Amino acid sequence: DAGVTQSPTHLIKTRGQQVTLRCSPKSGHDTVSWYQQALGQGPQFIFQYYEEEERQRGNFPDRFSGHQFPNYSSELNVNALLLGDSALYLCASSLGWGETDTQYFGPGTRLTVL
Amino acid sequence: GENVEQHPSTLSVQEGDSAVIKCTYSDSASNYFPWYKQELGKRPQLIIDIRSNVGEKKDQRIAVTLNKTAKHFSLHITETQPEDSAVYFCAASVVSGNTGKLIFGQGTTLQVKP
Repeated sequence: DAGVTQSPTHLIKTRGQQVTLRCSPKSGHDTVSWYQQALGQGPQFIFQYYEEEERQRGNFPDRFSGHQFPNYSSELNVNALLLGDSALYLCASSLGWGETDTQYFGPGTRLTVL
Repeated sequence: GENVEQHPSTLSVQEGDSAVIKCTYSDSASNYFPWYKQELGKRPQLIIDIRSNVGEKKDQRIAVTLNKTAKHFSLHITETQPEDSAVYFCAASVVSGNTGKLIFGQGTTLQVKP
């Protein structure tokens, strides 16, 4: 049973650039949520996708956008990168988008902005 | 606002002792409370979760208790082992419409000394 996968593992960008991160959900899951985890902090919710639509969004600027594909995989795009965007980006998948659905995390993408 | 407070930030115990981590949440509508364990450089892994229709749940050496009136929940690990050393995060699901997003605590670094 394939778990949640993410690519790439690591990424180094410079300020002002754009980045795309990818996530494949756990087999059988249809919902993907994205989180940002700064060093020494808990994950912070960015947004959630279900049926190719953004269902809920956290307190992140419009520079953060996403997409979900018909096969349930998802992308996170960040434009105009800032130094403060350096973090571990985690995606989590679940079956359903209700408030009690269990979320399973991928290994994350470590983004460094120089 | 939406907030989860977690204490202590660090916890050091001797192997075989018990460890307790406590969290308080602000949204009284929250009804799902997972706990994740994150080892250095790895993904958060779900270790136990509880829904608001129960007050306690146990899985081998791990137990979680929930007090909805006081809006707090706790993780109890008994007979700790060195491999329990990691960062532990509590989370509460915040409901918006029919969807939920996880709000995480700041994490507790648990060190189990042999």
